[in-house]
Amino acid sequence: AQKITQTQPGMFVQEKEAVTLDCTYDTSDPSYGLFWYKQPSSGEMIFLIYQGSYDQQNATEGRYSLNFQKARKSANLVISASQLGDSAMYFCAMREALYNFNKFYFGSGTKLNVKP
Amino acid sequence: NAGVTQTPKFRVLKTGQSMTLLCAQDMNHEYMYWYRQDPGMGLRLIHYSVGEGTTAKGEVPDGYNVSRLKKQNFLLGLESAAPSQTSVYFCASSYEGTPTGELFFGEGSRLTVL
Repeated sequence: AQKITQTQPGMFVQEKEAVTLDCTYDTSDPSYGLFWYKQPSSGEMIFLIYQGSYDQQNATEGRYSLNFQKARKSANLVISASQLGDSAMYFCAMREALYNFNKFYFGSGTKLNVKP
Repeated sequence: NAGVTQTPKFRVLKTGQSMTLLCAQDMNHEYMYWYRQDPGMGLRLIHYSVGEGTTAKGEVPDGYNVSRLKKQNFLLGLESAAPSQTSVYFCASSYEGTPTGELFFGEGSRLTVL
């Protein structure tokens, strides 16, 4: 079974609108972390946001927020007020801390295009 | 502050040739990783290391070997390159001492095997 599933290969959003990128995960590890990374066309991997499995509140970083639904094993990224510079690939990732010490698993990514 | 540095950035090999990708980090991180990125498949873990002198297999280890003789360096070797190993390779490192423990990535190395 895949550890991380991103079901949206590509998405379009109008500039200044909000967009949600879906991510579901599969783990039996009680201690894990969830991450989102952005990969612009230049290729570098940029860390956006983190959510720990024991965190009670959803993580936020500027225009990024992580909608963490633990029972449903989902960790969706919400980007508010989209900008043209948000056009990129977005990867969801999970780190299992207990059973697979510090291994990180990535999803297949979602390519976001922001339209002017 | 260099962070994570990969060399070379680009390489073209013929089938059967060997090569080594070097990853160096200057952040004193304990954990280091090699991933490959292929279209539609995201990043897949090849090998990783939880400390100097230790290595472990990831999801797609076949055809690759690694070594971590020094804490700051993590080498990825291809003994006999195959066209299926054409990919973009990313090295990353992490450290438990940060609040999030996120991965820090190198810029990637694009390898083409003809």
